[in-house]
Amino acid sequence: EPEVTQTPSHQVTQMGQEVILRCVPISNHLYFYWYRQILGQKVEFLVSFYNNEISEKSEIFDDQFSVERPDGSNFTLKIRSTKLEDSAMYFCASTASTDTQYFGPGTRLTVL
Amino acid sequence: GESVGLHLPTLSVQEGDNSIINCAYSNSASDYFIWYKQESGKGPQFIIDIRSNMDKRQGQRVTVLLNKTVKHLSLQIAATQPGDSAVYFCAEKEGGGATNKLIFGTGTLLAVQP
Repeated sequence: EPEVTQTPSHQVTQMGQEVILRCVPISNHLYFYWYRQILGQKVEFLVSFYNNEISEKSEIFDDQFSVERPDGSNFTLKIRSTKLEDSAMYFCASTASTDTQYFGPGTRLTVL
Repeated sequence: GESVGLHLPTLSVQEGDNSIINCAYSNSASDYFIWYKQESGKGPQFIIDIRSNMDKRQGQRVTVLLNKTVKHLSLQIAATQPGDSAVYFCAEKEGGGATNKLIFGTGTLLAVQP
């Protein structure tokens, strides 16, 4: 069964550093998403991406965040200058239509 | 703002019993609802979904009920097994095509006692 994959599983970085979180969505999917989950809290929407552009973003997704689909398979989330409060699990999701979103296993980002 | 919330943060059941996990939503414009299961250290796993034009949908050992009158969603798990132990989230999506984002509830921890 096709799955969304994410790398790395755990990323540790120093405050102020740039990080890139990588995702490989399910191959025939067209809509891509990033969500985050701070420890013990609910999953929060960050951004959606369709047809090579951002279709929607939340208030969390400020100028420090960017997304890119550099080739036909990868979907990346970049945080330019990490802050302590960026520490969270980051989940990538994809869907073929606008309904069921399938999530990856997540990347745990720890900002020191 | 409008949000999705869960009544019970923890539900403890005996193996073999049926489990019912509840969710209240407040956005009357939502027309699509999903239940996800999240095991420790993993991403949300799709369980079952339902559209607002339905009030019940069944899967394998799971049933989702939707009551639009009181804005209530429930997930029923039949013959609960130890492998069902996880956090369960409901999520909603607003209709009309203006957004595809999912809004998640706070989660219910289901603990299955052998």
